[in-house]
Amino acid sequence: EPEVTQTPSHQVTQMGQEVILRCVPISNHLYFYWYRQILGQKVEFLVSFYNNEISEKSEIFDDQFSVERPDGSNFTLKIRSTKLEDSAMYFCASGDSFAGGELFFGEGSRLTVL
Amino acid sequence: QKEVEQNSGPLSVPEGAIASLNCTYSDRGSQSFFWYRQYSGKSPELIMSIYSNGDKEDGRFTAQLNKASQYVSLLIRDSQPSDSATYLCAASLGGAGNNRKLIWGLGTSLAVNP
Repeated sequence: EPEVTQTPSHQVTQMGQEVILRCVPISNHLYFYWYRQILGQKVEFLVSFYNNEISEKSEIFDDQFSVERPDGSNFTLKIRSTKLEDSAMYFCASGDSFAGGELFFGEGSRLTVL
Repeated sequence: QKEVEQNSGPLSVPEGAIASLNCTYSDRGSQSFFWYRQYSGKSPELIMSIYSNGDKEDGRFTAQLNKASQYVSLLIRDSQPSDSATYLCAASLGGAGNNRKLIWGLGTSLAVNP
């Protein structure tokens, strides 16, 4: 069964460092998303991406964050100058062309900022 | 502020019983509704999607949607210990195009006791 894969599964970084979280969406999907979940809190939308551009972003997704689809398979989230409050589980998700359809999530990347 | 609300639980049921999980949402424009299961430290896993008023059944799971009451529920029949997890309700505006930004509830913790 096709799946969304994410790397790394866990990253520990020092405050102020840059991190890149990587995702390989399901191959025939066209819509890509990043969500995050701080421990004990709701899953929060960060950004959606379609046709090689951001289609929507949340208030959380400020200039510290960027996304990129550098080739036909990878979808990355870059966090510049990490802060303690960026510590969370970051989930990549992808969806197919069916409007309003389901999203499929990767296993997540746990980011710990010290 | 668009919200999805769930009772956090824990909801405890004996093995073989029916577990009933409820969710309300604030945005009347929401068109698509999803139930995800999340084991501790893992990513959300899609259980059910529902788009129209009424019931939708899939195996032991039945989702119910009442748009007039802005209410979504999930019934799990013949509950098994392996169903013990947090169940997340999510809503999106759905419709045409890319509008699959999900708004999430905090989740209801379900414990199925052998």
